[in-house]
Amino acid sequence: KAGVTQTPRYLIKTRGQQVTLSCSPISGHRSVSWYQQTPGQGLQFLFEYFSETQRNKGNFPGRFSGRQFSNSRSEMNVSTLELGDSALYLCASSSDYSTGELFFGEGSRLTVL
Amino acid sequence: QKEVEQNSGPLSVPEGAIASLNCTYSDRGSQSFFWYRQYSGKSPELIMFIYSNGDKEDGRFTAQLNKASQYVSLLIRDSQPSDSATYLCAVNRAAGNKLTFGGGTRVLVKP
Repeated sequence: KAGVTQTPRYLIKTRGQQVTLSCSPISGHRSVSWYQQTPGQGLQFLFEYFSETQRNKGNFPGRFSGRQFSNSRSEMNVSTLELGDSALYLCASSSDYSTGELFFGEGSRLTVL
Repeated sequence: QKEVEQNSGPLSVPEGAIASLNCTYSDRGSQSFFWYRQYSGKSPELIMFIYSNGDKEDGRFTAQLNKASQYVSLLIRDSQPSDSATYLCAVNRAAGNKLTFGGGTRVLVKP
């Protein structure tokens, strides 16, 4: 069974640009969550999607957005990038809503120059 | 005060010994509790979850939960060098998979 797939794995952007990250969950998993990991703040919850609906949202500005498609694949978008957005963005899938049992992808490492 | 607090370590443990990791949380409404392991340069992986007060054992791992004290711990018995990693404590307050993570405890198991 394939794991969670995230693309791209690495990317470099400049301030003011926008970026879209993609996540394909484990087959059959319907919940996709996104987390940001930085050395200073650790792992922080961005948002969760279940059945194409955003069910939970973390304390991030509106520049961070996401969506989920009917096949459970998810994308997140960050607009007007800032230096502080440099981080590892992790996607996690779960078989259902409210399990807490997350399966993480390898992450997309974003560097903002 | 952080919502989930862990000692950052490193916790240095001789091979074969017991590693004891602690985590405290501030939200009394927390319902479920998780331990994730993260190797350097890798993504977190779930190793244990616990929902009720008491102990839960899985192989060499034992999770302990005390909701009254808002405390959850992880014991690693017969520690191996392959257990060297950062261990992340996470709590879930309500519906959904919105986990709040602690900063992690780095564990070093020395042969």
